[in-house]
Amino acid sequence: DAKTTQPPSMDCAEGRAANLPCNHSTISGNEYVYWYRQIHSQGPQYIIHGLKNNETNEMASLIITEDRKSSTLILPHATLRDTAVYYCIVRVMGTSGSRLTFGEGTQLTVNP
Amino acid sequence: KAGVTQTPRYLIKTRGQQVTLSCSPISGHRSVSWYQQTPGQGLQFLFEYFSETQRNKGNFPGRFSGRQFSNSRSEMNVSTLELGDSALYLCASSWGSYSPNSPLHFGNGTRLTVT
Repeated sequence: DAKTTQPPSMDCAEGRAANLPCNHSTISGNEYVYWYRQIHSQGPQYIIHGLKNNETNEMASLIITEDRKSSTLILPHATLRDTAVYYCIVRVMGTSGSRLTFGEGTQLTVNP
Repeated sequence: KAGVTQTPRYLIKTRGQQVTLSCSPISGHRSVSWYQQTPGQGLQFLFEYFSETQRNKGNFPGRFSGRQFSNSRSEMNVSTLELGDSALYLCASSWGSYSPNSPLHFGNGTRLTVT
């Protein structure tokens, strides 16, 4: 699976949009971008995934650049409960099965 | 719908002992995978089971093993515990197909401390 690069930490004001970037410049055509987050002492929580189109669900939006070398996770109205480590993962569907390669992630801190 | 359930939540063992951790997947999910999380190594894949068969394996010694039952519940076992095995052990389940629309859903883990 391709390597991802994320900033180690970010801050966001409560109620504002949080934009978390991820670089995956070596992504291949059949690799999907997944985002998970982990709140302290809990298991990672699935947020969203996409291939090349922008995606939106009840939790967040995912913007993938046209060349697919980077993406941005957007939390439209961040709350204190969104404080967590956010992981960007690229995953090829197929023999890798449920094997996810987690990097260091971004520690997002939402401030009141 | 109940999420992934892991038991026990906390466990303290002595070096040299063995331990068994349990995972009940989300109803209908047939794939169960295990991950180890430590401060130094982060989240690392241990293995995956699908239909009672190990489908994928990470780079861990043979002391780490697992199995899956016909109802998709899974257990992992660590024998001859070492201090370095202290970690949060996470179980994740999914439908099991290789479809991208089958994301993993994680439990809250078992915190193992080896003394």
